[in-house]
Amino acid sequence: SYELTQPPSVSVSPGQTARITCSGDALPKQYAYWYQQKPGQAPVLVIHKDNERPAGIPERFSGSSSGATVTLTISGVQAEDEADYYCQSADSSGTYYVFGTGTKVTVL
Amino acid sequence: EVQLVESGGGLVKPGGSLRLSCVASGFTFNNAWMTWVRQAPGKGLEWVGRIKMKSDGGTTDYAAPVKGRFTISRDDSKNTLYLQMNSLKTEDTAVYYCTTRYKLDGFDLWGQGTMVTVSS
Repeated sequence: SYELTQPPSVSVSPGQTARITCSGDALPKQYAYWYQQKPGQAPVLVIHKDNERPAGIPERFSGSSSGATVTLTISGVQAEDEADYYCQSADSSGTYYVFGTGTKVTVL
Repeated sequence: EVQLVESGGGLVKPGGSLRLSCVASGFTFNNAWMTWVRQAPGKGLEWVGRIKMKSDGGTTDYAAPVKGRFTISRDDSKNTLYLQMNSLKTEDTAVYYCTTRYKLDGFDLWGQGTMVTVSS
């Protein structure tokens, strides 16, 4: 089955930049989406269609794509950004959706 | 208010069945493709399956671990999505969320989740 691979954890000091990668064979063909999830809460969409930011999401969140890897960048990380982050996309046919393995962002 | 509210979770024995519901409000439910996502305790998000809107055929697709055991259906007259879970296994223990693409091309509307525990 199709998989999206993320690093398990990223640690960053306040004000620094966090970058989270997501790799998958179908990413050159399919859009990627990013979700933030805090403990006990439902996920929140922070990036859609590779690099578009929904209304209400801070400008420090951005997305980019290069071949089979997409990246979520959090510039000027704040304590409130500590959370789990998941990429999400579809297989090459667009039929089956998949979530990445998840990355825990720790703000030191 | 635009929202999704899941219900029906609980404790069930291995091999048992359970039906989850997700009631939608505040948007045109019959125009929405609806999706179930689950999250086992301490684990990541897992796509369970999806049902298209009736005008797109109303067809369903499922993740491999649940195919043949779970069935997604919808009642547009009640603005309700269902997940019928049969032959439950301990590894099906999870919080189950319903979600949809409300305004954006991404899952931008989520319910609060309902917990399913499969244990003897």
